[in-house]
Amino acid sequence: GAVVSQHPSWVICKSGTSVKIECRSLDFQATTMFWYRQFPKQSLMLMATSNEGSKATYEQGVEKDKFLINHASLTLSTLTVTSAHPEDSSFYICSAPMNTEAFFGQGTRLTVV
Amino acid sequence: AQTVTQSQPEMSVQEAETVTLSCTYDTSENNYYLFWYKQPPSRQMILVIRQEAYKQQNATENRFSVNFQKAAKSFSLKISDSQLGDTAMYFCAFKEYGNKLVFGAGTILRVKS
Repeated sequence: GAVVSQHPSWVICKSGTSVKIECRSLDFQATTMFWYRQFPKQSLMLMATSNEGSKATYEQGVEKDKFLINHASLTLSTLTVTSAHPEDSSFYICSAPMNTEAFFGQGTRLTVV
Repeated sequence: AQTVTQSQPEMSVQEAETVTLSCTYDTSENNYYLFWYKQPPSRQMILVIRQEAYKQQNATENRFSVNFQKAAKSFSLKISDSQLGDTAMYFCAFKEYGNKLVFGAGTILRVKS
């Protein structure tokens, strides 16, 4: 199957700093990528949909200025958590659709201290 | 909006036995896809099985099979000959128009030796 690579796997940052998470489709072109947030033992919550060459679409309640999404190419989407705070600590997962399936990155565990 | 309901937050099964995870969904669409994903402790999302709504035959993948009841909007997952490696969180998901996946709340499955 297709491969989606997400980096970093985990990151610890200081409160007030920004963190960038990358999601790459390695063997296919992804015009769309989805970004999810997941709390322990809970479901994946869709944050936003990134579209190559256009602005991302954010779900209701997600601060677009806090979570900056850029889809610069057909194989790369990035999520930047700006001015991170401890409440932003979570597990973030990207996903890219191909045909009728979705392929997921490995996820990024963000800890803000 | 489409919704996916998993009514079993946690389940346990003895190794080598069979377990069924339930899932119901709500949609007004006629053509759609249903999925079961497994999320082990590594938190990598793994596709277990998929079902196209237009297909009446239930999908099977080795020890995994589904009972798809379109009229009842039910999509349960049966795991036969449970193995310790099946211990994970399982998500039922519905694919709506535009490639967006809608996830259920998840079921934590523990396989006991």
